[in-house]
Amino acid sequence: DSGVTQTPKHLITATGQRVTLRCSPRSGDLSVYWYQQSLDQGLQFLIQYYNGEERAKGNILERFSAQQFPDLHSELNLSSLELGDSALYFCASSVGGTGGSGELFFGEGSRLTVL
Amino acid sequence: AQTVTQSQPEMSVQEAETVTLSCTYDTSENNYYLFWYKQPPSRQMILVIRQEAYKQQNATENRFSVNFQKAAKSFSLKISDSQLGDTAMYFCAFRVQGAQKLVFGQGTRLTINP
Repeated sequence: DSGVTQTPKHLITATGQRVTLRCSPRSGDLSVYWYQQSLDQGLQFLIQYYNGEERAKGNILERFSAQQFPDLHSELNLSSLELGDSALYFCASSVGGTGGSGELFFGEGSRLTVL
Repeated sequence: AQTVTQSQPEMSVQEAETVTLSCTYDTSENNYYLFWYKQPPSRQMILVIRQEAYKQQNATENRFSVNFQKAAKSFSLKISDSQLGDTAMYFCAFRVQGAQKLVFGQGTRLTINP
């Protein structure tokens, strides 16, 4: 158990809909990262927050947005969903902006299926 | 931009054999971290081993060890006495010290056969 909690584990929705994925980082971690893993692909970095502020942005679509709340949990909002958005979405956390030992601790992922 | 390349999409070995997974990376930075993550069928991302670039000694974790060649920008993972539970996707990952994101390779699907 990494200590990172993601909900929901599975989500099935229709094209055009909007969903919210939630992540609670490990206790004491200030940084939250979101990654997308499409079928049999590597992990693509979407966005990172540190102590409530956006720190880095990757290949995140304009239809997607995220935020980190004062209690440090984070939400990833996906709107106007398309079939190609079907993927496993991972949240990860680390100690701080520079990452401490450098490693990220991953949640179990939220599997999104868009029909 | 930093990139990570895993040249072996799939590998398969017999149980108890030793297997080596390859990884190369490209960076102009001097201080960074390298990682191997394992993703079993459960899809959980599990850290296998970590190497700091400033350390010359190769990291080891039980049956897992790395061969870190900084000049060649190579970071291979050796699994000794492979077990059925080692069957998984293995991702090499790289992170510049102080940078925000972890950059992943495309993964190597490893199958351990009984």
